[in-house]
Amino acid sequence: KNQVEQSPQSLIILEGKNCTLQCNYTVSPFSNLRWYKQDTGRGPVSLTIMTFSENTKSNGRYTATLDADTKQSSLHITASQLSDSASYICVVSARSWGKLQFGAGTQVVVTP
Amino acid sequence: NAGVMQNPRHLVRRRGQEARLRCSPMKGHSHVYWYRQLPEEGLKFMVYLQKENIIDESGMPKERFSAEFPKEGPSILRIQQVVRGDSAAYFCASSPPDRGSYNEQFFGPGTRLTVL
Repeated sequence: KNQVEQSPQSLIILEGKNCTLQCNYTVSPFSNLRWYKQDTGRGPVSLTIMTFSENTKSNGRYTATLDADTKQSSLHITASQLSDSASYICVVSARSWGKLQFGAGTQVVVTP
Repeated sequence: NAGVMQNPRHLVRRRGQEARLRCSPMKGHSHVYWYRQLPEEGLKFMVYLQKENIIDESGMPKERFSAEFPKEGPSILRIQQVVRGDSAAYFCASSPPDRGSYNEQFFGPGTRLTVL
């Protein structure tokens, strides 16, 4: 069973609208949680990294939240643009050397 | 500062052949990680290497797969006697000298392996 679960699997939104993606994890011991953006045919690109003591972090129009008690995170995209169409991957790093556990991703499609 | 480079970007092999995938980390990075992404699935960790050392290979299949990161030159992921199930995208990532579990990993563009 995957230790990082994301929802929804896919999402279609109109350009200019907001959306929120969810991530639940069971990875333990937990070190940090990352959100990556992966365009089709490309490697993942980091958006945010949060440790257990941080509960929100922003990167432009992307805002990630973390509740380490309930082991949940969300990624909010504000005023979506066509270039936001991509897979958004929640990744949890375990302690020790930081082995990454990947969620399956949420495929976001922004339409004009 | 060039990013992580992988070559080839696309590789086609017939069943039973060998596949060699190369990864050049970012300048100044001494840690390399290999991941595999099957169609419609998330990335799965395969192996973590530092120069001339395998640190964690818990995600590597026990047979046919090997990885190295020599003192000089790129990291190599080698798959012997490929089978159709090896068809996937293989991503390499690198990170700078040790910041423990906070190491930010920078990903290459991937090599898409197709086994006929």
